[in-house]
Amino acid sequence: DVKVTQSSRYLVKRTGEKVFLECVQDMDHENMFWYRQDPGLGLRLIYFSYDVKMKEKGDIPEGYSVSREKKERFSLILESASTNQTSMYLCASSFLAGGKETQYFGPGTRLLVL
Amino acid sequence: AQSVTQLDSQVPVFEEAPVELRCNYSSSVSVYLFWYVQYPNQGLQLLLKYLSGSTLVKGINGFEAEFNKSQTSFHLRKPSVHISDTAEYFCAVSETGGYNKLIFGAGTRLAVHP
Repeated sequence: DVKVTQSSRYLVKRTGEKVFLECVQDMDHENMFWYRQDPGLGLRLIYFSYDVKMKEKGDIPEGYSVSREKKERFSLILESASTNQTSMYLCASSFLAGGKETQYFGPGTRLLVL
Repeated sequence: AQSVTQLDSQVPVFEEAPVELRCNYSSSVSVYLFWYVQYPNQGLQLLLKYLSGSTLVKGINGFEAEFNKSQTSFHLRKPSVHISDTAEYFCAVSETGGYNKLIFGAGTRLAVHP
């Protein structure tokens, strides 16, 4: 069974704090993703990583950075949290096999920035 | 540029009734289409996807969707819903088939009432 786990389900931080959201997958997947989910906006891709130390900006990378030092772990970093980063953050991983890509999502981290 | 419109933000329905969740997309090229479900407090799960071939796609949990190129639609249907189908449903489109290029709709909240 594929597992994508996120370090926290709920997180409360203060404006200006540095925030780390961790995501781990146990299936040796090449690709990992960070999305944020907001009511009325659906999911928007923040960053994507296709290999260790490799990353690609998504649709809304401003205010975020990422780190992928090991294949199984993909971290999302808010250098200086702001209230407009209050959101649900979803991590996902995917792999390619037989020409088909399959993606799996973690349960999400609900972040509140005060 | 591609975009996705989910025409209903909320759909209330009685148990055992049929349901249709509407999705329209815009794109200047061929697309790949997806429907995801998100149960309360969980991550997203892929329901079904259209990549090519038959325009009627069957997914998990008794859902199906029909790709209509002339109407640029990909509506999701189920002939008889259960209470357990209460969830948020997201339509998504990709011009490349890759998950790093997915554009999500805003979501439709399906509420099944006894």
